[in-house]
Amino acid sequence: KQEVTQIPAALSVPEGENLVLNCSFTDSAIYNLQWFRQDPGKGLTSLLLIQSSQREQTSGRLNASLDKSSGRSTLYIAASQPGDSATYLCAGGGATNKLIFGTGTLLAVQP
Amino acid sequence: DTGVSQNPRHKITKRGQNVTFRCDPISEHNRLYWYRQTLGQGPEFLTYFQNEAQLEKSRLLSDRFSAERPKGSFSTLEIQRTEQGDSAMYLCASSLEGRFLYNYGYTFGSGTRLTVV
Repeated sequence: KQEVTQIPAALSVPEGENLVLNCSFTDSAIYNLQWFRQDPGKGLTSLLLIQSSQREQTSGRLNASLDKSSGRSTLYIAASQPGDSATYLCAGGGATNKLIFGTGTLLAVQP
Repeated sequence: DTGVSQNPRHKITKRGQNVTFRCDPISEHNRLYWYRQTLGQGPEFLTYFQNEAQLEKSRLLSDRFSAERPKGSFSTLEIQRTEQGDSAMYLCASSLEGRFLYNYGYTFGSGTRLTVV
């Protein structure tokens, strides 16, 4: 059974800092891994999708990596801004493509 | 296409009442998913449809819950005899699955927040 863990649970950084969010999963037989952003009381916004055959994806200041052998993914945010403050969720997709989510990392970027 | 649409955005109901939520997915997407999220937790899978066929249901989906996707378009999630423990955000998502289980990524709606009093 797939389990997804995110560390740290919460993170506070000053504006401009580069940061890394961590995601680990127990079943390496994932088909894809997706990172989402969630603002308070809102739905999920997709940030990056990494297929199992890929090692990383980039979008603007965001870079996500996937290492299936070690069961890890990281989300790197460069030059953080107050507008990046949100909860970041990672989720692994299996054979049926249903997603198993971690509990998220709550990020606060201080101006 | 404006993305995945969910209605209502908020629902307050008395314990024991029935409620129904609606989800309109992205029209080209062949898969539709329902998730439930409680405060401080990640979303939990409830059920999903491939076109009009409901292919999997989580054990979280008790007999009081039923989901439909007639004609493979919009979907409804009904909760009968609501309980306080049903209070949560109900999220709908759709995706396009291509050949060889290739998934082009999920798009989530804004969710329906249910409060049972």
